[in-house]
Amino acid sequence: EPEVTQTPSHQVTQMGQEVILRCVPISNHLYFYWYRQILGQKVEFLVSFYNNEISEKSEIFDDQFSVERPDGSNFTLKIRSTKLEDSAMYFCASNPDRVGVRPQHFGDGTRLSIL
Amino acid sequence: AQTVTQSQPEMSVQEAETVTLSCTYDTSESNYYLFWYKQPPSRQMILVIRQEAYKQQNATENRFSVNFQKAAKSFSLKISDSQLGDTAMYFCAFMKRIGTNFGNEKLTFGTGTRLTIIP
Repeated sequence: EPEVTQTPSHQVTQMGQEVILRCVPISNHLYFYWYRQILGQKVEFLVSFYNNEISEKSEIFDDQFSVERPDGSNFTLKIRSTKLEDSAMYFCASNPDRVGVRPQHFGDGTRLSIL
Repeated sequence: AQTVTQSQPEMSVQEAETVTLSCTYDTSESNYYLFWYKQPPSRQMILVIRQEAYKQQNATENRFSVNFQKAAKSFSLKISDSQLGDTAMYFCAFMKRIGTNFGNEKLTFGTGTRLTIIP
């Protein structure tokens, strides 16, 4: 079964540095998402992306965050100037556009550690 | 806005026993989906089971079944014949339905229940 893949699995970055988290959604999917999970807390929605633009974003997704799909296969999340509180697990997910299919396939996540 | 509540932060049960995890939600929507996701220590998010709100029949997937009470806005997960590999965090999640497909809708998660299966 096709999978969503995320790289790297673990990223360690100094506070204030830029970080890019990468995701390869399933090839025929049309909707893409980023979620965040701070250790020990629930999974929180960050942003959804469709047709090369953001569809919805949460309050967490401030000006420090951006997403793009640069080449039709990758879907990236960029944090411009990381803060300690950005340390979390970041999950990418994708959705097809047809009924009856398992929704929101999740990648295995990238653990981001800000020092 | 939708909210999802899981009132049991932790549960434990002996191997081979049955356990039920609770979930309630609040929404003004009439068409929506509900899900249970499992997150083992590896922290992957694995879909366990889903329920379409317009279906009265409770969903089942092998040892996993749900008790969906739409009027009460309750969606509990029952795990029968529990196994050591069921040890994980379990998250209940809600997704609004647009039209006839999943559309571009986010998932709203509860805070999770940490389930431990005791050998």
